[in-house]
Amino acid sequence: DIQMTQSPSSLSASVGDRVTITCRASQSISNYLNWYQQKPGKAPELLIYAASSLQSGVPSRFSGSGSVTDFTLTVSNLQPEDFATYYCQQTYSSRPITFGQGTRVEIK
Amino acid sequence: EVQLVESGGGLVQPGRSLRLSCTASGFTFGDYYAMNWVRQAPGKGLEWVGFSRSKVYGGTTEYAASVKGRFTISRDDSKSIAYLQMNSLKTEDTAVYYCTRARDYYDSSGYYLDGFDIWGQGTMVTVSS
Repeated sequence: DIQMTQSPSSLSASVGDRVTITCRASQSISNYLNWYQQKPGKAPELLIYAASSLQSGVPSRFSGSGSVTDFTLTVSNLQPEDFATYYCQQTYSSRPITFGQGTRVEIK
Repeated sequence: EVQLVESGGGLVQPGRSLRLSCTASGFTFGDYYAMNWVRQAPGKGLEWVGFSRSKVYGGTTEYAASVKGRFTISRDDSKSIAYLQMNSLKTEDTAVYYCTRARDYYDSSGYYLDGFDIWGQGTMVTVSS
């Protein structure tokens, strides 16, 4: 199985900050890497697909980069509604599809 | 409006069975979309359960090791419904279960899924005596 490791597990930030979350795959996944945002009691929402493509309707302050094994989600100018948990996911291998453990972004 | 709606969750005793349904609307269900199930135990992260490939690719299924042999995913493309049949339930299967879609495709390197772009609201399954 491809293991996905996110760091940090949690972080505290202020409105207006730039936040970076990293995700590392245990083997090459090309650019088959997606990012999701989940707020308490809600279903996850797709933010970024194929490592760097912004999902329709997602604000441009969200961006993704990386390839092969190392990936980054950046949120520039953090807004109050961005405090949530973020997950990376690989869809390179469907046997099985795997998620990172999540990164909780909290208000400082 | 494109949406997925899960139903069928509830309280069930260990060893018993439960079937979840996921009803799709607002898009062509069968041809191009793999239907996935993802679960989230209370206070935990996301765990992929399994999926059914799109009709174009035969609707075949893949499962996480934790549920293989106990859970079965099926789909009725004529009704735009996906199912998750859960047998021999264990307490560790307690979770919110989400259905979610993803475009699937083959290229020269193999079979792949896009990101999971539409999710249902989730249905809670509690396995307890």
